[in-house]
Amino acid sequence: ILNVEQSPQSLHVQEGDSTNFTCSFPSSNFYALHWYRWETAKSPEALFVMTLNGDEKKKGRISATLNTKEGYSYLYIKGSQPEDSATYLCAFDWSNTGKLIFGQGTTLQVKP
Amino acid sequence: DTAVSQTPKYLVTQMGNDKSIKCEQNLGHDTMYWYKQDSKKFLKIMFSYNNKELIINETVPNRFSPKSPDKAHLNLHINSLELGDSAVYFCASSHGLATGELFFGEGSRLTVL
Repeated sequence: ILNVEQSPQSLHVQEGDSTNFTCSFPSSNFYALHWYRWETAKSPEALFVMTLNGDEKKKGRISATLNTKEGYSYLYIKGSQPEDSATYLCAFDWSNTGKLIFGQGTTLQVKP
Repeated sequence: DTAVSQTPKYLVTQMGNDKSIKCEQNLGHDTMYWYKQDSKKFLKIMFSYNNKELIINETVPNRFSPKSPDKAHLNLHINSLELGDSAVYFCASSHGLATGELFFGEGSRLTVL
């Protein structure tokens, strides 16, 4: 059974804090690792799709790294803002058919 | 314009009924998906279609039947609804099979009474 685990499950930070969370996935049969941002009452939106070991991607204050050999990815948010409050999902693509296995998500709450 | 749109957003129905959820994407994508958000909040794939051809069919009861009349539409029909079918169902699309990010609809919350 292929599992994707995210930690922590939830996180509360103050505005301005920097934070990071982890996505762990099987290190074999790797094809891609996706990160999505999911705000309440909206649909998940893609942040990054990462395919190569050592990939680092950045979008504004959000960045992500990838280690396919050990099976983990980190998502970093620098200087968190209240609008960053959302659930962050990672998804592991192992089959090259678009069959993503999603983690349960990390829910971030940023307090003003 | 909503890129991936699903209707209805909310559906409340009785056990044993048959219902459909429709999905349309205006992104010109070749591949469409149905995901189910389970009771533990995980998103789990049910089906995918690429250019109207069924690609992924997970272990889903055959009461669930997807239909893709063209590559911009993927509808989900559910026969003989059961209590356990209550969930949020998400449609998504991507440029092609296993290429790049998914674009999700806003979800359809199905409640079976």
